[in-house]
Amino acid sequence: NAGVTQTPKFQVLKTGQSMTLQCAQDMNHNSMYWYRQDPGMGLRLIYYSASEGTTDKGEVPNGYNVSRLNKREFSLRLESAAPSQTSVYFCASSEETIEDFYNEQFFGPGTRLTVL
Amino acid sequence: RKEVEQDPGPFNVPEGATVAFNCTYSNSASQSFFWYRQDCRKEPKLLMSVYSSGNEDGRFTAQLNRASQYISLLIRDSKLSDSATYLCVVSWIKAAGNKLTFGGGTRVLVKP
Repeated sequence: NAGVTQTPKFQVLKTGQSMTLQCAQDMNHNSMYWYRQDPGMGLRLIYYSASEGTTDKGEVPNGYNVSRLNKREFSLRLESAAPSQTSVYFCASSEETIEDFYNEQFFGPGTRLTVL
Repeated sequence: RKEVEQDPGPFNVPEGATVAFNCTYSNSASQSFFWYRQDCRKEPKLLMSVYSSGNEDGRFTAQLNRASQYISLLIRDSKLSDSATYLCVVSWIKAAGNKLTFGGGTRVLVKP
C-alpha cells in the first residue's frame, strides 16, 4: 500500500516550457487535491476533484489545468511555465463522507519545481 | 488579513519542557479544525483533529475557542522528535464550497 505517489520528485523548467505532474493513490479515495506550498504562505489549493469525472478550481488555479484520469490518478499540467510557479507541489486524497465535515487528507511526497 | 494566521516561530524549546501556540481564523462560519505536522522537506501529516470540547492525544492537547476564533496546540514533555512545523487547518461546510485553508505554520525546535 503505497498511499499517494507523485512524479517527478524534482523538476527544472525554462520559462514557457510545459509539463505534467502525476499523482496516483491506491486508497480508493474519491477526492483528490493539488496544492502548492511557498515559504510563509502555507499550502494553497490549486484544483480539486470531488469524484472521478469532476474537477473544480481552488484558490490559485490560474496557469494550471488538471485531469482526473480515473479514480486513482489526478494530474496537474503547466502549459507555459512561469518563474512565479516555482514552488513545491503536493497532491492529496481523502475519503468521501456523507457528512459535511472533512476527513483526513493524505499527502504525497511532493514535487519540487523550479522555473528559470 | 490572512484567513488563518500562525506565529511562524521558531519556538525554541528545551527537551522535556511544555510549549503552546495558537492559530487564529477569520471566518466565524468555520466548522472543522485540524493540526497537521510537517517535517522539513516532507509532506504534511495529520496530527490531530480539534473538537469543540478540546481533545488530548498523549502529550498533545488541542483546544478550540470559538468566541475568540482561535485554536491552540500544547505539547507536554517535548521530545527531540517533536521538532517540526505545525500547520493549522480550518474548513467550513462543503455546502459553502470546498475550502480547506492552511496556515503558514509554526516551527518548533526542541533542543537537548
